[in-house]
Amino acid sequence: GAGVSQSPRYKVTKRGQDVALRCDPISGHVSLYWYRQALGQGPEFLTYFNYEAQQDKSGLPNDRFSAERPEGSISTLTIQRTEQRDSAMYRCASSLIQGLDSPLHFGNGTRLTVT
Amino acid sequence: KNQVEQSPQSLIILEGKNCTLQCNYTVSPFSNLRWYKQDTGRGPVSLTIMTFSENTKSNGRYTATLDADTKQSSLHITASQLSDSASYICVVSERDTDKLIFGTGTRLQVFP
Repeated sequence: GAGVSQSPRYKVTKRGQDVALRCDPISGHVSLYWYRQALGQGPEFLTYFNYEAQQDKSGLPNDRFSAERPEGSISTLTIQRTEQRDSAMYRCASSLIQGLDSPLHFGNGTRLTVT
Repeated sequence: KNQVEQSPQSLIILEGKNCTLQCNYTVSPFSNLRWYKQDTGRGPVSLTIMTFSENTKSNGRYTATLDADTKQSSLHITASQLSDSASYICVVSERDTDKLIFGTGTRLQVFP
């Protein structure tokens, strides 16, 4: 597609359920980042990949959060046993090459609400 | 403590006025520093990207400066417009890992 695509756009789930958020980056983009943004807050880095390799997952809040990018393209962020504090906008971004001067392209995000 | 601190947290100015937003970081070594504008409910849009060797970069009415010695960057907005109302986010990239460190953002409101 023309841009970074995320699905679903909105997700409402009950506490304790598992959710999977999908990010489809721009074709050929090497780097993929996940971050989340609570209402009225700045972005919070979660994790990122270069190709299929997860480079850094230090931003994942706890072991209920995991991410994968098995073929170096689409990525899935999974939250197990969701809690209300997980409610936020989850965004991903991709870039063509790693690092320097490579523009980031952001998806529109998935708004997760845990009730 | 966040490695990228922005100030002020929020700012209100009148249309036509200038303003300057600050970004202080402790990320070291870093490869580049980016400023983004994020409208409410939208994804961030890139304003400027500066490498560690650049001191200033402009994009229309937006001018970013970088002092790598003091680890400070600023975003200056000239002749503000109502459409400048948004959150402005400073993002620093670690040199060795390319990990993005996001600042906490500055919420700017421009009033007529």
